[in-house]
Amino acid sequence: DTAVSQTPKYLVTQMGNDKSIKCEQNLGHDTMYWYKQDSKKFLKIMFSYNNKELIINETVPNRFSPKSPDKAHLNLHINSLELGDSAVYFCASSQAGLARTYEQYFGPGTRLTVT
Amino acid sequence: DAKTTQPTSMDCAEGRAANLPCNHSTISGNEYVYWYRQIHSQGPQYIIHGLKNNETNEMASLIITEDRKSSTLILPHATLRDTAVYYCIVNQGSGGGADGLTFGKGTHLIIQP
Repeated sequence: DTAVSQTPKYLVTQMGNDKSIKCEQNLGHDTMYWYKQDSKKFLKIMFSYNNKELIINETVPNRFSPKSPDKAHLNLHINSLELGDSAVYFCASSQAGLARTYEQYFGPGTRLTVT
Repeated sequence: DAKTTQPTSMDCAEGRAANLPCNHSTISGNEYVYWYRQIHSQGPQYIIHGLKNNETNEMASLIITEDRKSSTLILPHATLRDTAVYYCIVNQGSGGGADGLTFGKGTHLIIQP
């Protein structure tokens, strides 16, 4: 019974296209995140979101936008894809609270390749 | 300005205890130490966290020095499946906010058969 799931697992697309990656969590958590892992394996936070606020990493281009239809889902939309967007994208979730915010559970990742 | 320092890589024999060190000399009084690992081609996995006291769960033990400037993650009986990159993370804020984790380079632990 997967806790945090992402679809698709692999995504190959051309420059300039618009694509979405879906994320769902069944842990009852109220905060969700998107991370990007580049070719050098560095993991960086892109967004964190709960029902109160969206926190955006200032380095994320505005072509990237998270959309949350409900507490269990946080989808990532990417417009006008560029070669540099090629990476593995991870969704994560956590419960609110002092220490528990940083006890995060990650999905399996979506490998995006832009050609 | 990294908040933690870890060795780049370590080896450990299968069945032995793996001890992974982490230095966090600038840690604040209300900051926790978290450990995650990432097995090849998988998402990061939460292992354990602590504030002052030593902690143990089904995966590992966390030993934090009295001055809190360093810690050690212990995998008591390492198996080949424990081969992964291990990240030591000190949380960023005062807590409660939806902050993300800041991952460094971690320690690549290789369990040898």
